[in-house]
Amino acid sequence: DAMVIQNPRYQVTQFGKPVTLSCSQTLNHNVMYWYQQKSSQAPKLLFHYYDKDFNNEADTPDNFQSRRPNTSFCFLDIRSPGLGDAAMYLCATSRGGQGDTQYFGPGTRLTVL
Amino acid sequence: AQRVTQPEKLLSVFKGAPVELKCNYSYSGSPELFWYVQYSRQRLQLLLRHISRESIKGFTADLNKGETSFHLKKPFAQEEDSAMYYCALKGRSSGDKLTFGTGTRLAVRP
Repeated sequence: DAMVIQNPRYQVTQFGKPVTLSCSQTLNHNVMYWYQQKSSQAPKLLFHYYDKDFNNEADTPDNFQSRRPNTSFCFLDIRSPGLGDAAMYLCATSRGGQGDTQYFGPGTRLTVL
Repeated sequence: AQRVTQPEKLLSVFKGAPVELKCNYSYSGSPELFWYVQYSRQRLQLLLRHISRESIKGFTADLNKGETSFHLKKPFAQEEDSAMYYCALKGRSSGDKLTFGTGTRLAVRP
C-alpha cells in the first residue's frame, strides 16, 4: 500500500555517466517534488511540478533535470553526475494549496564512483 | 527569504523525561509550520502541523509568532520516540514549497 514509490532504492553510477531516478505515486496528487539530502543536512528542494508546470529552484544546477510524463510518474535525470552529487534523493507529493501535507517516498541513495 | 533553524543536532533524554525540540523561523508573513519525523529506516512523514492544533503521539507544538518559534514538546519521552525530527515552513509567497531545518536527532535512553 505504498503511496509514493521510488526506484531504485540504491543506485551506483560512475562519474559522468547519466543516471535516472524514478518516482511514482498512487495518490493522484497534483504536485510532485524532488529533494536532495546530503548527510546531516536538511532536504533541499531541487524542483517541483504542479501538474505539468515545472518549477526549478534558482540554485539547482543545470546538471539536474526532471520529467513528468503523466500524473503518476516523475523522473530525476542527472546528466553528468559528479562526486558531489552523491546523496539521498527524496520524492514527495501533495495535493497543493494551503494546509496540505507532503507525502514522501523512501528515497534513492545515489553513489558516484 | 524564509529560513528554519533547529539549534540542536542531537538531544538525548532518559525515558519518562520531558522533551522540547526547538525550532525558530524567519519569514515576513503568516507561515504554515510543520514537524516531520523520520524513524530509523523509514520514510520522512508528517508528525503534526500548527493549523491542526492537534496532539500526535503525545507531541504538541504551538506557533509563537512573537518569538517566531514552533517548538515540539512531549511531557514524557518514550524509547520509540527516538528518531530524526525536522521542522519545516511553508510561506504563502513560496507556493507549495517547504523549507526544512537541519533536523534534530532525538535519542531516548532506557
